[in-house]
Amino acid sequence: KAGVTQTPRYLIKTRGQQVTLSCSPISGHRSVSWYQQTPGQGLQFLFEYFSETQRNKGNFPGRFSGRQFSNSRSEMNVSTLELGDSALYLCASLEGNEQFFGPGTRLTVL
Amino acid sequence: GENVEQHPSTLSVQEGDSAVIKCTYSDSASNYFPWYKQELGKGPQLIIDIRSNVGEKKDQRIAVTLNKTAKHFSLHITETQPEDSAVYFCAAGRTNTGFQKLVFGTGTRLLVSP
Repeated sequence: KAGVTQTPRYLIKTRGQQVTLSCSPISGHRSVSWYQQTPGQGLQFLFEYFSETQRNKGNFPGRFSGRQFSNSRSEMNVSTLELGDSALYLCASLEGNEQFFGPGTRLTVL
Repeated sequence: GENVEQHPSTLSVQEGDSAVIKCTYSDSASNYFPWYKQELGKGPQLIIDIRSNVGEKKDQRIAVTLNKTAKHFSLHITETQPEDSAVYFCAAGRTNTGFQKLVFGTGTRLLVSP
């Protein structure tokens, strides 16, 4: 079985721009969660989607949004980028109680 | 809010020594406690987990203990090897609803010297 894939792996944007990140979960997994990882804050939960519905959301501003498609692929969008949005964005798909993480997308905001 | 504290932030050991990483959680409703290993350039990988109805779980050189009363759980690695060098994260969450939202500790950088 292929693992969780994320594209792109690296991204450089400037302040004020917007960005869309993509995540394909493991085949058959219907739940996708997104996390932001930074050296200062560690891993922080953004949101989780299940069957195209957002089930839970973390404490991030409305600039962070996401969606899930019928094939379980998920995208997250960050609008009006700020320098502090520079981070590794991880998605994970869930089977039972185990979360399988992708390699992440490293976003750098200049 | 929910919080998980993890100590130490860095840990250096000699090959063959044991390593212990400790975490404390705040949400008494947490019932699932996984540990993840993250190597450079990769996403976190689950190495062991424990549920609240179990006090200890072991998998070869890795063991996890849970004290629900004190809200503590720990990772124990015996006979460490250089390939154990990585960042380790503990996490706590609830699984009873079918949805799993994990709160992570801040990570422990483990360095095993040959």
